[in-house]
Order: sequence, then structure tokens, then C-alpha cells
Amino acid sequence: EAQVTQNPRYLITVTGKKLTVTCSQNMNHEYMSWYRQDPGLGLRQIYYSMNVEVTDKGDVPEGYKVSRKEKRNFPLILESPSPNQTSLYFCASSLSIPRLNTGELFFGEGSRLTVL
Amino acid sequence: AQTVTQSQPEMSVQEAETVTLSCTYDTSESDYYLFWYKQPPSRQMILVIRQEAYKQQNATENRFSVNFQKAAKSFSLKISDSQLGDAAMYFCAYRRYNTNAGKSTFGDGTTLTVKP
Repeated sequence: EAQVTQNPRYLITVTGKKLTVTCSQNMNHEYMSWYRQDPGLGLRQIYYSMNVEVTDKGDVPEGYKVSRKEKRNFPLILESPSPNQTSLYFCASSLSIPRLNTGELFFGEGSRLTVL
Repeated sequence: AQTVTQSQPEMSVQEAETVTLSCTYDTSESDYYLFWYKQPPSRQMILVIRQEAYKQQNATENRFSVNFQKAAKSFSLKISDSQLGDAAMYFCAYRRYNTNAGKSTFGDGTTLTVKP
């Protein structure tokens, strides 16, 4: 089954304790991206990767790191989490653009993170 | 920077009736994708419908259709014969075609309630 898998789905942690949210896709997609969803703010893009070893900042990258060493994996790293990073996080993937592709993003099921 | 605006935080519709969700966007690009995603209480992001900007014909998917007005930068979603399962948060989203296709922008969402 084609899917994007995120782990953990739920996490409660404390300020300053490093954590990693993993994301893996089995669709051979070149493109992967991370978003955070907060009430009233929609989804905001954190980082994205057009392909292996290629990453770039989205709109809200502060406090986050990513890496893309393998095509299927795109982990999100919070080196020193703070309470304002409490949010619902989504990973997504797609085929790369050009035009022949649909542009559709395939989403994981989300990871609810609480930082105390 | 691209912006996507959903001016209706909440909408309600009677079962079997028709409802239209509004979305406007701002871009200087000529080639891009527009999407409507549905997020039910399960949190899963589900693609509802997609429109390529170069296509003049409005996209339709069963009971879902869009009114794409490129000059006005408007992209509304019409849901016909509304069903209880349509109750969800709906997000309008923009994605570039080629250059800097990594970035995507979402609106703040519209919560749709379907009354039996």
C-alpha cells in the first residue's frame, strides 16, 4: 500500500529535550516536505526537499532541522524544543514537478507534539 | 510571496443541499496548481480536487466542482448534494509548477458542518 508513515503519532516532551519525528514514504517520490498545523493558521511549511541531499527552508524553519540522506526518509529534528513548537506536524511527499505530474501531495497521518 | 485566503472560517449546510467554499490567492506566477484538501476529524489530509492554472476548464470530481477564475485569482469549491461525511475542515492550497516548485501555501481552512 502506498503511504507516508510518521512516527511517533503522539509525543509529550519537555523543553530542551532533543527529539526526532521520522517520516518515510514508499512511493519513490523525489519531493518531501514538513508542515505544522496550528488552530486558525492552516498548514505552514517548515522545510522541504526536492531530492536526496537537497533541502530548503519553508516559511517557518526556525527551531527545526532536517536531513535527506535517503530518498524514502525525511526526518524532522527539534534540537531544543520549546512550548511554541507544540503543534500537529505533517509530512508529505510527491513526485517532482515538471508539468506532467499532478502536483498532488500525499500526507502522513500527522504527529501531535506537546512540549511542556 | 504567495498567499492563500479563505474568508469563511466556518460554514454550514443542510444535508442534500449545495454549499460553496471561497478561496482567493495572490501570485505573480502564470503556472501553478490549486488544490482543495479535506481534513476530517481523523486528521488525515485527503485530496478533494485539483486544478492546473493553464487549464481553462473547471475541474470536477463527482459532487465536487470548482469555479476557477484565473484573472480574479479565485478558486471556490462547490459541494453538491452534501452528505454527512462531507463534514470536515477544508483547505485551499497553492503550489508552483516548475521554478521553486518546492514551496506550497495553504489557506487557514474552512470548517464545514453538515446538518441532518
